[in-house]
Amino acid sequence: DGGITQSPKYLFRKEGQNVTLSCEQNLNHDAMYWYRQDPGQGLRLIYYSQIVNDFQKGDIAEGYSVSREKKESFPLTVTSAQKNPTAFYLCASTHSGGARNEQFFGPGTRLTVL
Amino acid sequence: AQKVTQAQTEISVVEKEDVTLDCVYETRDTTYYLFWYKQPPSGELVFLIRRNSFDEQNEISGRYSWNFQKSTSSFNFTITASQVVDSAVYFCALSEANRDDKIIFGKGTRLHILP
Repeated sequence: DGGITQSPKYLFRKEGQNVTLSCEQNLNHDAMYWYRQDPGQGLRLIYYSQIVNDFQKGDIAEGYSVSREKKESFPLTVTSAQKNPTAFYLCASTHSGGARNEQFFGPGTRLTVL
Repeated sequence: AQKVTQAQTEISVVEKEDVTLDCVYETRDTTYYLFWYKQPPSGELVFLIRRNSFDEQNEISGRYSWNFQKSTSSFNFTITASQVVDSAVYFCALSEANRDDKIIFGKGTRLHILP
């Protein structure tokens, strides 16, 4: 089945540690996105990539980094510079044409920093 | 600037009642796209509908219907004869044709369907 995989579902880290969240898709989509969801805040865009080896900052990129070395993969690293990293993180992808198309979402990773 | 407002933070209705979720948007573009997504307790967002700015026809899909009115910049979502499985958070979203890179989500409306 085609879809988006995010792992793990739950992640716990100590304060000050970097952590990488994985996102893999087998939909052959060009564009991929990372969102952060906090209670009552809706989804906020962290980073997005419309093509391999290229990515752009979203609205809340500070404290995060990404890479797009393969079309299928768009990992997100939450660095120690992120002041409040505890949140629910969602990865999404879409066909070429970007945000005008429906986005397909993964199941999300809930990160808790202790 | 893009903006999506979902004024209803949380709604509770009894099963079989109809319920409407409001969405008001702001954009300076004449070409734009509106979306509704459902987020069940599992967390994964599920696409429900996309509308472009040139298509004001209302749409019905089973118990779901959408009312798009450009005059009031609204794209409201109605569930008829609600069921417990409709309980979820619903997001309205907007993207602009000249900003093809990003979609702006509203803050969502949490819908509780009580048995």
